[in-house]
Amino acid sequence: DAMVIQNPRYQVTQFGKPVTLSCSQTLNHNVMYWYQQKSSQAPKLLFHYYDKDFNNEADTPDNFQSRRPNTSFCFLDIRSPGLGDAAMYLCATSRGRGRYEQYFGPGTRLTVT
Amino acid sequence: GEDVEQSLFLSVREGDSSVINCTYTDSSSTYLYWYKQEPGAGLQLLTYIFSNMDMKQDQRLTVLLNKKDKHLSLRIADTQTGDSAIYFCAESINDYKLSFGAGTTVTVRA
Repeated sequence: DAMVIQNPRYQVTQFGKPVTLSCSQTLNHNVMYWYQQKSSQAPKLLFHYYDKDFNNEADTPDNFQSRRPNTSFCFLDIRSPGLGDAAMYLCATSRGRGRYEQYFGPGTRLTVT
Repeated sequence: GEDVEQSLFLSVREGDSSVINCTYTDSSSTYLYWYKQEPGAGLQLLTYIFSNMDMKQDQRLTVLLNKKDKHLSLRIADTQTGDSAIYFCAESINDYKLSFGAGTTVTVRA
């Protein structure tokens, strides 16, 4: 089945230790998104790729970076995680911009100790 | 503005109808969405409505849109235990960005 896969599902990292979260998709979609969802809060868009074009949200901290080496994979790098970065990180894809459904992965729950 | 507000909790008896309400602020939103999130899973699109529509029905789901009041609702008929989940309302901000509410946790009791 075509899907959005996130690895790992649970990640524990230490304060200040770089961490990378992974997302892959078999849908061949052009757009890939990363959202941060803190407990009992709305998912918040961090950035998205339209093909190879990276689009950062204005309020996304510099601590968060992303890479998209090919259509199928997208990575979220947190350079120096703080306690406030503990959250669920959701990857989503869509065929294009505009009226296209966003397909979400199951998320990676990040704990910072 | 990008604020989407929803009530946080709803408890409903199995077989009854559930109504989840949402208010949004961006009057230029083209599409409004309802997503469902089950425990341990990602968000799943349930339905959406184009801003020039007042109502959309899809099997047990009915979406009502009141543009004047910027109010969106989702009605689930004959609510089942499998409908227990968190429901997110979202509005399209531009051609790629969605603004989500904090989610309504629906609990279906026997």
